[in-house]
Amino acid sequence: GDSVTQMEGPVTLSEEAFLTINCTYTATGYPSLFWYVQYPGEGLQLLLKATKADDKGSNKGFEATYRKETTSFHLEKGSVQVSDSAVYFCALRTGWGGSNYKLTFGKGTLLTVNP
Amino acid sequence: DTGVSQDPRHKITKRGQNVTFRCDPISEHNRLYWYRQTLGQGPEFLTYFQNEAQLEKSRLLSDRFSAERPKGSFSTLEIQRTEQGDSAMYLCASSRLAGGPGTGTQYFGPGTRLTVL
Repeated sequence: GDSVTQMEGPVTLSEEAFLTINCTYTATGYPSLFWYVQYPGEGLQLLLKATKADDKGSNKGFEATYRKETTSFHLEKGSVQVSDSAVYFCALRTGWGGSNYKLTFGKGTLLTVNP
Repeated sequence: DTGVSQDPRHKITKRGQNVTFRCDPISEHNRLYWYRQTLGQGPEFLTYFQNEAQLEKSRLLSDRFSAERPKGSFSTLEIQRTEQGDSAMYLCASSRLAGGPGTGTQYFGPGTRLTVL
C-alpha cells in the first residue's frame, strides 16, 4: 500500500538557518505530493504541492521538488524564521477522476526555530 | 470561503458514552473526509463522502463508528460506547471534485480533540 516516510524530529534550528526535511514515499501509480503545516493550536494548512514528476511546489519561501527517480519530496527553506515553528507533514494522494482522493500522511516533523 | 469548521473543538467523555462530532465543509465542496490523528502520528483516513454518499470506509472505522452526510452538506461522526483508545484528534477536510481553482485540494478544519477517561 501507499506510505510516506519522513525525517524523524524534532528539528531545532536557529533563525536564518537552512532547513531540509526529508520525505520519501511508496505508492502505486503516479501520486500527487503535498506538504502540510500545523501551527500550534491550529488545523492542518496546505503549504505546497506538486502533481507530477519534476514539478516544484513553492510557498512562503519553502520549496519541494517531486523526484520520481528517488521517490522523494524533500522540503527546503533557505532562511527559517521563528514563526516557522510548527509540525510539518508530508503526504501523498493517489487516485484519479472518480476514485478516492484520500491523503496518506507521514508521521510529521516538529520544527522549532530559536531566535 | 469561510473555511471548514468543526464542533466541538474539545470533548471529554467517560468510557462507554456516545459522542457525536459535526463538520461543516466549505460551501459547494462535493467531497468531505474524516481523518483521525493520534499523538505523534500523522492523520489517518477514516471515511469520505461524495455529496451525500459514503463511498469508502477505512478498516480503522469499527462498527462503533458511524458517519453521515445528510443532504450533502454538513457531516456528523458518531462514536458509540467510547473506549480509551478512541482518544485522538478527529479531523474533517473538504475538497472540490472538479472545476475551479484548487480542485482536489483538501482543506482541513481545526479538529475535535476527544479525550476518553
